[in-house]
Order: sequence, then C-alpha cells, then structure tokens
Amino acid sequence: DTAVSQTPKYLVTQMGNDKSIKCEQNLGHDTMYWYKQDSKKFLKIMFSYNNKELIINETVPNRFSPKSPDKAHLNLHINSLELGDSAVYFCASSQETRSPLHFGNGTRLTVT
Amino acid sequence: DAKTTQPPSMDCAEGRAANLPCNHSTISGNEYVYWYRQIHSQGPQYIIHGLKNNETNEMASLIITEDRKSSTLILPHATLRDTAVYYCIVRVANRDDKIIFGKGTRLHILP
Repeated sequence: DTAVSQTPKYLVTQMGNDKSIKCEQNLGHDTMYWYKQDSKKFLKIMFSYNNKELIINETVPNRFSPKSPDKAHLNLHINSLELGDSAVYFCASSQETRSPLHFGNGTRLTVT
Repeated sequence: DAKTTQPPSMDCAEGRAANLPCNHSTISGNEYVYWYRQIHSQGPQYIIHGLKNNETNEMASLIITEDRKSSTLILPHATLRDTAVYYCIVRVANRDDKIIFGKGTRLHILP
C-alpha cells in the first residue's frame, strides 16, 4: 500500500495553462508538505499544512495555491504555468513535528 | 540555507561499510540530526535521526560526536541498492521548522 501517493506521475503542459497535482496520504498524519526539486536537484520546501491549516508558505509565487480539503489531502494548483515551473514536485507527510517525513514518488512537471 | 556540510560524493565497495560524514557546527541544543536518502527517480526516504546519543536501526547507525558538531551515518554492509544521494539535516522539533535539504552526498556503491 502506498503511504503517500501523488497523481499524476508525469505532467506535460504548455505555458499559460492551469494544472493541479493531487496528493493523498493514508498514514493518518497531521502535517503535509509540498517540496520542489529543480533541475539542479535542490529540494526546497514550498508549503506545509497542519490539520488543514497553512503553517509554512515559502517565497512561492501566488500562482501556486495549495488546497487541503481534509488532513489526508494536500493538492497543489498552479495557474499560468511558466517554463521555470518545470521540476519534480514532491508531497510529504509527517505525524508530529519531530517525526520523519514520508515522501511520495514525485510528479515530474514539464512546461513547454 | 542548509545548516549542514557534506562531501559532494563518495565511493564505497559493495559489502563494505559506508561511512558518510556530516558537519553541523552551528547546531543548537534543541536540534535533531536527521538522515534521508534519495534513490534515483524516487522520493526521499527517511533513514534515521538522533539528538545526542548514537542510534541504530535496521537500515543504518548514526554516530553523533559529543559536542554534536558532526555526525556519521554508517551503512554496515553496503549493497548496490544503497547507491543514492544522502542528505543530512538538522531541525528543531516544532511545526514552524522548515526542513531544509542541502546538496547531500552522492554515494556510489562499486561492485
């Protein structure tokens, strides 16, 4: 059973489009995250939610909007996609603040 | 910015112990040391973490120096499947803490 699942695995789209990436965790965790890994392989935090409440919002363009309908889901919606948005996006979750992160296998977004 | 320094790459022969160092000279008393790894095309995977004492689990051992300014992750019998990028992270255990990944160490296990 996949603990943290993301869909889609691959996403190819054109500049200017709006797209969403979905994330679900079946671990019963309270905190969920979105990370971005760029072409240089740096893994940077974008957002974190705790029990549906936004906790961390890094300097991310407001074209990126996370949505947490319940604590098991944290979706990422991106408006007006740009070339620089091409990256691998990872969702993660953790039970408590000290507990380890569990990552999904990523969504590779390619903007053409 | 990451609070840790790691060598960019290391090689280890299959079957031998892989010792991955990490410097965290500015670590605070309430910060834990965590290790993750990322195998190609997968999400990062948690390995182990500790505060002061050495820790061991089924995957690895973590040795933290007495002054806590550095640590070593030990994979006791490296296999080809251990080839990955290994990240050493320090973090405070509160919900506002931004878990920051550095560049990590790319470990190559040689057959």
